[in-house]
Amino acid sequence: EDKVVQSPLSLVVHEGDTVTLNCSYEVTNFRSLLWYKQEKKAPTFLFMLTSSGIEKKSGRLSSILDKKELFSILNITATQTGDSAIYLCAGLYSGTYKYIFGTGTRLKVLA
Amino acid sequence: DTGVSQDPRHKITKRGQNVTFRCDPISEHNRLYWYRQTLGQGPEFLTYFQNEAQLEKSRLLSDRFSAERPKGSFSTLEIQRTEQGDSAMYLCASSFGQGFSQQETQYFGPGTRLLVL
Repeated sequence: EDKVVQSPLSLVVHEGDTVTLNCSYEVTNFRSLLWYKQEKKAPTFLFMLTSSGIEKKSGRLSSILDKKELFSILNITATQTGDSAIYLCAGLYSGTYKYIFGTGTRLKVLA
Repeated sequence: DTGVSQDPRHKITKRGQNVTFRCDPISEHNRLYWYRQTLGQGPEFLTYFQNEAQLEKSRLLSDRFSAERPKGSFSTLEIQRTEQGDSAMYLCASSFGQGFSQQETQYFGPGTRLLVL
């Protein structure tokens, strides 16, 4: 059964810290992996990763995919209180249009 | 606002009642998805439409659930004879795609939070 596992489940850090969120996936026919940020509303899109080893960056956030080891990481540097959210990882597989989501990592950044 | 919209944002109902939710996707998007999210979990796929055709349904979608997208634009999700276990956030997402594209991104609406008493 296809699944996506995220770790840690929750994380508390102080402003300015750097965090690394993990996402591993089991796949039958992997197509792409996505990261979303969810506050008290809809998940908002962060990154889509399809190729191994190519880092994607957006400001203080970056992400990379390892298709050999079947995992991805999301890095957030110089964290701010506004980064507090649930970060969701989702896999998209060939032969289907649906995302398989992990349970998310709940990040809390303290001032 | 040109994003995905959902209505209502919150719904409280008594067990046994029927409820209907609406989703308006981004206007040029041909694909529409419904997900359900419970506390502490990631969204779980329910069903998917390409234009007006419902192409995929999860086994989570029991006979009490029905979804439509009659004109290939907005969609409705109806739950009949609601149960307390139906309490969740119901998320709608839309995308534009052709075939199985690697680059297709789903954009989510704000969700409808359902509480069944």
